[in-house]
Amino acid sequence: QSALTQPPSASGSPGQSVTISCTGTSSDVGGYNYVSWYQQHPGKAPKLVISEVSKRPSGVPDRFSGSKSGNTASLTVSGLQAEDEADYYCSSYAGTDTVLFGGGTRLTVL
Amino acid sequence: QVQLQESGPGLVKPSETLSLTCTVSGGSISNSYWSWIRQPPGKALEWIGSILYTGTTNYNPSLKSRVTISLDTSKNQFSLKLNSVTAADTAVYYCAKNRVPGAYWGQGTLVTVSS
Repeated sequence: QSALTQPPSASGSPGQSVTISCTGTSSDVGGYNYVSWYQQHPGKAPKLVISEVSKRPSGVPDRFSGSKSGNTASLTVSGLQAEDEADYYCSSYAGTDTVLFGGGTRLTVL
Repeated sequence: QVQLQESGPGLVKPSETLSLTCTVSGGSISNSYWSWIRQPPGKALEWIGSILYTGTTNYNPSLKSRVTISLDTSKNQFSLKLNSVTAADTAVYYCAKNRVPGAYWGQGTLVTVSS
C-alpha cells in the first residue's frame, strides 16, 4: 500500500479559490466513497472538513467542498481567508479494513 | 460531545515497547471503530490501526508485526502497544473515533524514542 498522492503545496490570494487533489487507485479512492479531508494548523490535531467525499460537518464553512472523479478526489476552498492557511490531508478507506492518508498539502494564503 | 485523551510515557528507549492509552469521555466506546494515527515531526499522518467495539482489529500492513490495539470497555479506553521501537517511531500519536477518522480526535501526545 502506498500513500495517496497530494501536491506538496498550493497557494492563492484572499478571496480566490484553490483546489487540492488526492490521487489514489481503484482499490482505495476510486473504489469507495469514504474519502475524508482534514485541516491541520501547526501544533494542532487534524480537524475534519469533509467526510465521505463531499459531506461537510456541522460548523465547517460552506467555502469548503469536496468531490471525486475516478481515482482522484479534490478539496476546493473558495473565498480564501487568512485562517485557511494550514496543512491539508486526505484519507481513504483502502479495502481489507485498512486506511490510507495522503502526503499532505501546505496551503499558503498569499 | 465525545472527547478523547491520549496518555502514556513521552520517552521510550530503543528496542522497548511503546504503550499508550486513549480515554473516551462523553460517549460509550461500545458502539464504534476506534483508531490510532501517528505523525513524525514535520511529516504526514500515518494510520496505525483500528479496533471495533467487538474487539476485532485491523492494522497497517507495514506495522502489523509490531502493533497490538486493545480495548477496555469497563474503563471506556483503548490502547496501543508498539514493540521493538526505533528512532523512526518518534512521532505525535493521535487516537480518533471511526476507522476513517472523523470529527473526534485526541490532542495528540509526542513520543520520543531515545536512549
